[in-house]
Amino acid sequence: ETGVTQSPTHLIKTRGQQVTLRCSSQSGHNTVSWYQQALGQGPQFIFQYYREEENGRGNFPPRFSGLQFPNYSSELNVNALELDDSALYLCASTSGTSVYNEQFFGPGTRLTVL
Amino acid sequence: AQKVTQAQTEISVVEKEDVTLDCVYETRDTTYYLFWYKQPPSGELVFLIRRNSFDEQNEISGRYSWNFQKSTSSFNFTITASQVVDSAVYFCALSEVGAGGTSYGKLTFGQGTILTVHP
Repeated sequence: ETGVTQSPTHLIKTRGQQVTLRCSSQSGHNTVSWYQQALGQGPQFIFQYYREEENGRGNFPPRFSGLQFPNYSSELNVNALELDDSALYLCASTSGTSVYNEQFFGPGTRLTVL
Repeated sequence: AQKVTQAQTEISVVEKEDVTLDCVYETRDTTYYLFWYKQPPSGELVFLIRRNSFDEQNEISGRYSWNFQKSTSSFNFTITASQVVDSAVYFCALSEVGAGGTSYGKLTFGQGTILTVHP
């Protein structure tokens, strides 16, 4: 196990609703990245938070937003849910922003939008 | 733009067979990192290897080996004497390297190869 935890494990929402997913980073890590993995696809980078600031963003609309807290845990918020938002949402934690530092992934949150 | 292609969607082998997972990538950068991850049914991505673009030496770790060929933009992964526990989805990924070695955490993944090893 990586020490990265995510909650909840599974979630079912309806179109138009809002959702918040949570990630607790590994001890000592100050950077959290979020990925969306649609069924049968590879993960896609959503954004990264470093020391409570957004530090890089993928090709996702503004209704995907996030927060990082002083203890470096993080939230991913998605507004106005669409059916295509159904996916496994993975967070990864690391120390700093260097590519040299390994990212440790959590088990993910499975979001289903009906 | 970066792109990673894993042409093999699914591979099925019998235990003890050798299996090679293919990965081809595209990037305009001269400095980048390549990765392989394993995703078991539990969902967590498990890091297997990282290789930078300047290091073309092949690497072996137990039953795993990796063949990086910059000339063909490929980074293939071979499992020797496969075991049932190797059954998982395997992802190849690419990360650009920004100033100071930063990458903004952005890994570009291939679509994955589902490996099933039968007893």
